[in-house]
Amino acid sequence: NAGVTQTPKFQVLKTGQSMTLQCAQDMNHEYMSWYRQDPGMGLRLIHYSVGAGITDQGEVPNGYNVSRSTTEDFPLRLLSAAPSQTSVYFCASSSVSSNQPQHFGDGTRLSIL
Amino acid sequence: QKEVEQDPGPLSVPEGAIVSLNCTYSNSAFQYFMWYRQYSRKGPELLMYTYSSGNKEDGRFTAQVDKSSKYISLFIRDSQPSDSATYLCAMSEGSGTYKYIFGTGTRLKVLA
Repeated sequence: NAGVTQTPKFQVLKTGQSMTLQCAQDMNHEYMSWYRQDPGMGLRLIHYSVGAGITDQGEVPNGYNVSRSTTEDFPLRLLSAAPSQTSVYFCASSSVSSNQPQHFGDGTRLSIL
Repeated sequence: QKEVEQDPGPLSVPEGAIVSLNCTYSNSAFQYFMWYRQYSRKGPELLMYTYSSGNKEDGRFTAQVDKSSKYISLFIRDSQPSDSATYLCAMSEGSGTYKYIFGTGTRLKVLA
C-alpha cells in the first residue's frame, strides 16, 4: 500500500522556469490538497480538491495552478518559478465518507535560484 | 495573532521523561483536533485525532482538549529517543474536507 506518493523528492529550478509537482494516492480518497512548509510558518494550504474536476484555492494560491482529472492524481504547477516559492511541498489526501484525517506524502523539496 | 499558536521549542528531555506539548487557538469554531509527528525530511504522520473535549489515550500518547480554554495538549509518557521529532498540532472546523490550520511545530529531542 503506497499511500500518498510525491515526485520528485528534490528539484532545483531557475527563476522563471515552470514545473509540475506530482502527487498520486492509491486509497481512492476524494479529498486531496497541497501545502507548503516554511520555517516558522507551519504548513499552509495552497489548493485543494474534493473530487475529480473540482478544485479550490487555499490560503496561499498565488503562483500555483492545479487540476484534478482523476481521483488518484493531483498535480501542482508552478508557471513561472520565483525565489519566494522555495519551500517543501506536501500533498495530502483523505476520505470524505470515513471522516478520517488527512494523510501526507513525504514531500518535494524545491529550491528556486 | 495567528489562529493557532505553538511553542517552537526546541524541547530537550531525558529518556523516560513525561513530555507535554501544547497549542492554543483563537477560533471557537474548531471542532476537530489532530497531532502529527514529523521526522526530519519526512512528511507529517498522524498520531492522534479527536472531536471532543477531554482525554484520548493511545499507548504512551494522550491527547487532551479543553475547548473552554481553547487549549490542546499531547502528553508522551516514558519518552524514547525514537520520539525525537517535530510535533505539529492541527485543527479544523470539521473532518476530512475541511481546511486544516497547523501550528508551527515543536521540535522535541529525547536524550538517551
